[in-house]
Amino acid sequence: QVQLQESGPGLVKPSQTLSLTCTVSGGSISSGSYYWSWIRQPAGKGLEWIGRIYTSGSTNYNPSLKSRVTISVDTSKNQFSLKLSSVTAADTAVYYCARGDGYSYGYAGFDYWGQGTLVTVSS
Amino acid sequence: QSVLTQPPSASGTPGQRVTISCSGSSSNIGSNYVYWYQQLPGTAPKLLIYRNNQRPSGVPDRFSGSKSGTSASLAISGLRSEDEADYYCAAWDDSLSGPDVVFGGGTKLTVL
Repeated sequence: QVQLQESGPGLVKPSQTLSLTCTVSGGSISSGSYYWSWIRQPAGKGLEWIGRIYTSGSTNYNPSLKSRVTISVDTSKNQFSLKLSSVTAADTAVYYCARGDGYSYGYAGFDYWGQGTLVTVSS
Repeated sequence: QSVLTQPPSASGTPGQRVTISCSGSSSNIGSNYVYWYQQLPGTAPKLLIYRNNQRPSGVPDRFSGSKSGTSASLAISGLRSEDEADYYCAAWDDSLSGPDVVFGGGTKLTVL
């Protein structure tokens, strides 16, 4: 059974860079036609897709966040990571990592999710 | 302001059939598949419907999806108390600013 687990600081100061890592267990991050995504959810609000990466290194980012986002993958550690720069209070949210299965479900079909981690941006 | 538009709330009684709508545009729903997610309180979203009307293994056939033009809907028949959750639609968006996954604002379903 595939499991995803987010990790990283729960508190980030304004203007700094938010960094999170997602560790994948129960399967290789390199196998299959999967893509690995970050999605966030401010408290009491809806979901916002941040971006995705294939293990080839190919990425797609939300156009509204593109200038501040970097997603990378480390296949040797079975992990992928998110960096979001110049954060403000508006970036406070629960951040989820998720697996997408392009072959089975298509471009927006996320079949496995992490439990989510709350990141608060505050001084 | 979400790209896809959903009603903020919906409700029904046990056993009833309820539908949740999702409205988009030609760059998302009009030209790409629609997905539906169920989010129970305090948990991560769960894939409920993919490619407009397909159910992943384990999702009851009480849940069904449909799409017409730039709109889609999720139907839940035989409503049960455990269906009380937030429901989100999603789609790939071929916008001029770059490809993107867009979500609806979510619909809170209450089982009366």
